Amino acid sequence: AQRVTQPEKLLSVFKGAPVELKCNYSYSGSPELFWYVQYSRQRLQLLLRHISRESIKGFTADLNKGETSFHLKKPFAQEEDSAMYYCALSAISNFGNEKLTFGTGTRLTIIP
Amino acid sequence: GAVVSQHPSWVICKSGTSVKIECRSLDFQATTMFWYRQFPKQSLMLMATSNEGSKATYEQGVEKDKFLINHASLTLSTLTVTSAHPEDSSFYICSARGLAGNLREQFFGPGTRLTVL
Repeated sequence: AQRVTQPEKLLSVFKGAPVELKCNYSYSGSPELFWYVQYSRQRLQLLLRHISRESIKGFTADLNKGETSFHLKKPFAQEEDSAMYYCALSAISNFGNEKLTFGTGTRLTIIP
Repeated sequence: GAVVSQHPSWVICKSGTSVKIECRSLDFQATTMFWYRQFPKQSLMLMATSNEGSKATYEQGVEKDKFLINHASLTLSTLTVTSAHPEDSSFYICSARGLAGNLREQFFGPGTRLTVL
């Protein structure tokens, strides 16, 4: 069974400092990984996915299969980055459906 | 982007009653809808996956007779919590996914907070 681990429940970073949100996964197949973000009083939304290899709002994430990690990084934190971040893995369930397994989330707070 | 709505946004009910939650894709056809449950300070847990016109598939440990899911059209799925009890109190979130291109990702609704007294 697949599993996603986000070791930090809370992370506080000063504005302008680098940010790294950790995510590790376990999955026997070829993983497809995502980062979702939930800003205060808003719904969950997709931030980025590993297959796109893009930078969104200054965030990047590289899939490291050797370390089974998909850490989210941003070189210079901004106050508007304060939010809840979830790492998620897409896998095929026993029923043949595609399903997302979420980590427990990390609440990022940017200190002005 | 694609928009998913949920109704109601919150509901309080008495123990033993049934509650229906609606999930709608407003500007796209959702071939697949997902229902999640989130307890306070915990992650989203997938309850079931429903494809339009077919029966939902439930995750292990989720009682299908208690959480009835109907996905009768390409824009609407409903979750009915039958004979609700206080332990069913939770935040229920749906997501919807379309067929092609950018609609292949899951778009999430705002969630419904259920409180069972």
